[in-house]
Amino acid sequence: KNEVEQSPQNLTAQEGEFITINCSYSVGISALHWLQQHPGGGIVSLFMLSSGKKKHGRLIATINIQEKHSSLHITASHPRDSAVYICAVKRASGTYKYIFGTGTRLKVLA
Amino acid sequence: DTEVTQTPKHLVMGMTNKKSLKCEQHMGHRAMYWYKQKAKKPPELMFVYSYEKLSINESVPSRFSPECPNSSLLNLHLHALQPEDSALYLCASSQPGRELTYEQYFGPGTRLTVT
Repeated sequence: KNEVEQSPQNLTAQEGEFITINCSYSVGISALHWLQQHPGGGIVSLFMLSSGKKKHGRLIATINIQEKHSSLHITASHPRDSAVYICAVKRASGTYKYIFGTGTRLKVLA
Repeated sequence: DTEVTQTPKHLVMGMTNKKSLKCEQHMGHRAMYWYKQKAKKPPELMFVYSYEKLSINESVPSRFSPECPNSSLLNLHLHALQPEDSALYLCASSQPGRELTYEQYFGPGTRLTVT
C-alpha cells in the first residue's frame, strides 16, 4: 500500500463543475503540497499546507492532520484546469524528500 | 523571479553519446534537485545538492553524473545511457536544509529519448 494515496485516479468533468480530489497519507507529516502537472511536463506548486485551509482563485485546499487527509477543490472548472494533480508530503522527521501520490488525471470538457 | 529553467527541452541521444542537461535558478535557493519521471508515474528523486555539495544520491547509476558549479546552476551529465533511461528529467530548487515547509520549485523538464 502506498504511503500517499489519491482518489480518484482519473476524473472527467464538464466545464463549470465543482471538482474534489482527495489525498490520504499514512505517515506523520508536517507539510503537504499540491502540485499541478500539465501535459508536456512542467510541475507547478499550487499550495503548501500544514494545517487548515488555503484559497487561491478558484482553487481551495484543506488538510486535516488528525485524519491524515487533504482535499483539493476546483470551483467553476475550466478546460485549462485539465492536468495531473499530485499530492506530495514530507515526513515529520525532516527530509528533503517528497513522498508523492500517484496523481489524479483531470480532464475538463468544454 | 520564481522560475527554474531547463535546457534543452527535448534531447535524443544514442547509447554511446555524451550529453548534458542544464538547470538554472535565480531565486537564491541553495538546494537543487534532479528528478526522473517516467510516463504516468510520479517523479523519482535522483540527486540533491545543498550549498553546492552533493547531499543525496538515491543509488543512481554512474552513467548519470551531477554537477553543481555554482549556486544558480545544476548540470546532469549523461554517458552510455540505456533506452530505459528515456524519461522526463525535472530540476527543482528550494531553500536549503531539511525544514519541512521549504517547498520545491520545479522547472519545465527535459524530455530525453535514448535510442
